[in-house]
Amino acid sequence: QKEVEQDPGPLSVPEGAIVSLNCTYSNSAFQYFMWYRQYSRKGPELLMYTYSSGNKEDGRFTAQVDKSSKYISLFIRDSQPSDSATYLCAMGGNTNAGKSTFGDGTTLTVKP
Amino acid sequence: KAGVTQTPRYLIKTRGQQVTLSCSPISGHRSVSWYQQTPGQGLQFLFEYFSETQRNKGNFPGRFSGRQFSNSRSEMNVSTLELGDSALYLCASLRQGGTEAFFGQGTRLTVV
Repeated sequence: QKEVEQDPGPLSVPEGAIVSLNCTYSNSAFQYFMWYRQYSRKGPELLMYTYSSGNKEDGRFTAQVDKSSKYISLFIRDSQPSDSATYLCAMGGNTNAGKSTFGDGTTLTVKP
Repeated sequence: KAGVTQTPRYLIKTRGQQVTLSCSPISGHRSVSWYQQTPGQGLQFLFEYFSETQRNKGNFPGRFSGRQFSNSRSEMNVSTLELGDSALYLCASLRQGGTEAFFGQGTRLTVV
């Protein structure tokens, strides 16, 4: 079983929709959580970084972490065609600070 | 502020050859991690360097090696290339504390 499981998708939504992307994890040592966006043939771009349970908002993006359920989510409000990309969740622990474990990614298409 | 620079962007090598990839992290960042990304396995951690020392290592064979120089630039080397080594190799520059990771555009290696 993988340490990080990500809803596989693909996901297709109309422009303006609210998008929910989700990951679950099994390793209790994970302390920090990240969401990346990756366009085709590009490197992953860090969108959100959180270190605690609860919500963190940045513009149209909200990251949610529930450590008790080992569940994280990324919400995108008012989705745009430019949001079409693969979204990756990642997480890690303080004992291996430089190593992050990634989900397999969810490909999102936002249709105009 | 300059981002993470990886060179070269594309490489084609023959089975059995070796290859060296280069990464220059964000100025001031002293930690660098390397990842392999393939369609089947996703993003897999190779190793992490901090102040010229390997701090963490993933589950890859000894053909994969790396090093870091005093200016924080890092190189990774793959010897005796196999077809299965074809992948996007990503370097991440880590903020102080080593958790938030910022990726370069990657080097796409094709082994024929």
